[in-house]
Amino acid sequence: GNSVTQMEGPVTLSEEAFLTINCTYTATGYPSLFWYVQYPGEGLQLLLKATKADDKGSNKGFEATYRKETTSFHLEKGSVQVSDSAVYFCALLNEKLTFGTGTRLTIIP
Amino acid sequence: KAGVTQTPRYLIKTRGQQVTLSCSPISGHRSVSWYQQTPGQGLQFLFEYFSETQRNKGNFPGRFSGRQFSNSRSEMNVSTLELGDSALYLCASSLDLGVSGTDTQYFGPGTRLTVL
Repeated sequence: GNSVTQMEGPVTLSEEAFLTINCTYTATGYPSLFWYVQYPGEGLQLLLKATKADDKGSNKGFEATYRKETTSFHLEKGSVQVSDSAVYFCALLNEKLTFGTGTRLTIIP
Repeated sequence: KAGVTQTPRYLIKTRGQQVTLSCSPISGHRSVSWYQQTPGQGLQFLFEYFSETQRNKGNFPGRFSGRQFSNSRSEMNVSTLELGDSALYLCASSLDLGVSGTDTQYFGPGTRLTVL
């Protein structure tokens, strides 16, 4: 079946630090991969996506590359801001979205 | 273009009651999916509708049901509510979940259901 394993949180970083949130997956076929972000009291917002191997998704300074050989889709950002504090979900799409457990990120000034 | 809207945003019910939640997708989107989010189980898929037909269903009891109307709006119903049904219920829409390139799902703000 499909599954997503995501880096356990919470993660606390100082402003301008480098961010990596690890995500690996198990799936049949070639699913599309997504990162969603959830701010307090809100629904999920699409952050970025990749639909095939070696695709790089990017948005708002965040990047993730679809690595088929390592079945990974790690999220990175070179310099985080306080406004990036949120919960981040890695997900794969194979008829339905299967989510990781979420990683709570807190950025301190 | 307006996003996905869900009503109501908050609901308080008691055990044994039933509840109906509503979702209006982004204009032009024909696929609507529902998810349940709880602290213990995370985000879990409930079901997906396309052109008024349920195409996919998650592992939830029959108390959870849904439907989709000809304008793509969708409702989900939970009967005989239990304490464990307390959750954030999220609706997501896409052009067509079954077709690569049109399958990105956009989420609404959710309905927070509390069962007492």
